[in-house]
Amino acid sequence: RKEVEQDPGPFNVPEGATVAFNCTYSNSASQSFFWYRQDCRKEPKLLMSVYSSGNEDGRFTAQLNRASQYISLLIRDSKLSDSATYLCAVKAGDTGRRALTFGSGTRLQVQP
Amino acid sequence: NAGVTQTPKFRVLKTGQSMTLLCAQDMNHEYMYWYRQDPGMGLRLIHYSVGEGTTAKGEVPDGYNVSRLKKQNFLLGLESAAPSQTSVYFCASSTPGLYNEQFFGPGTRLTVL
Repeated sequence: RKEVEQDPGPFNVPEGATVAFNCTYSNSASQSFFWYRQDCRKEPKLLMSVYSSGNEDGRFTAQLNRASQYISLLIRDSKLSDSATYLCAVKAGDTGRRALTFGSGTRLQVQP
Repeated sequence: NAGVTQTPKFRVLKTGQSMTLLCAQDMNHEYMYWYRQDPGMGLRLIHYSVGEGTTAKGEVPDGYNVSRLKKQNFLLGLESAAPSQTSVYFCASSTPGLYNEQFFGPGTRLTVL
């Protein structure tokens, strides 16, 4: 079983739609959680961190469920420019390396 | 302020050839990482460094070596390239801290024939 799992998609949604992605993680020692956005053939860029209390940034809302070991990303009022691959990433607190473990990504295609 | 840069952007090697990928960051970050990204696999950690002069293995270190002689540079070497090392290589850097952002370079696309 992969340490971080995501539905690869693609999710094809019309402009203005609301779309949600989930990501499950298997390491209960995971301490911090992130959503990265990756455009085609580009480097990943941080979209948002995911805190225990959940957090919101404009049209984007991220939630963490430690009991069920998953994080979610909700995108409201989808724009064409939201089309990208969304990677979830977790960081274990019990190692010194502070490296990220990534899911394989969920592809979103927003259509006009 | 260039952030994280990688050299070269593209490279084609023949099996058995060697090469070095260079990563440089100008943010004075302590931690640096090398990942590889393959289709459907996400990013996987090859090696990392928590400071100048220190390196350690990640998930998939076989066939790679690294060096961090200067704080701002992290080199990834392939001594004898194999087709299985065809991938996109990303370097990243960060400060210590659980929620500190990792900044990625633009990537190096390597093909081994």
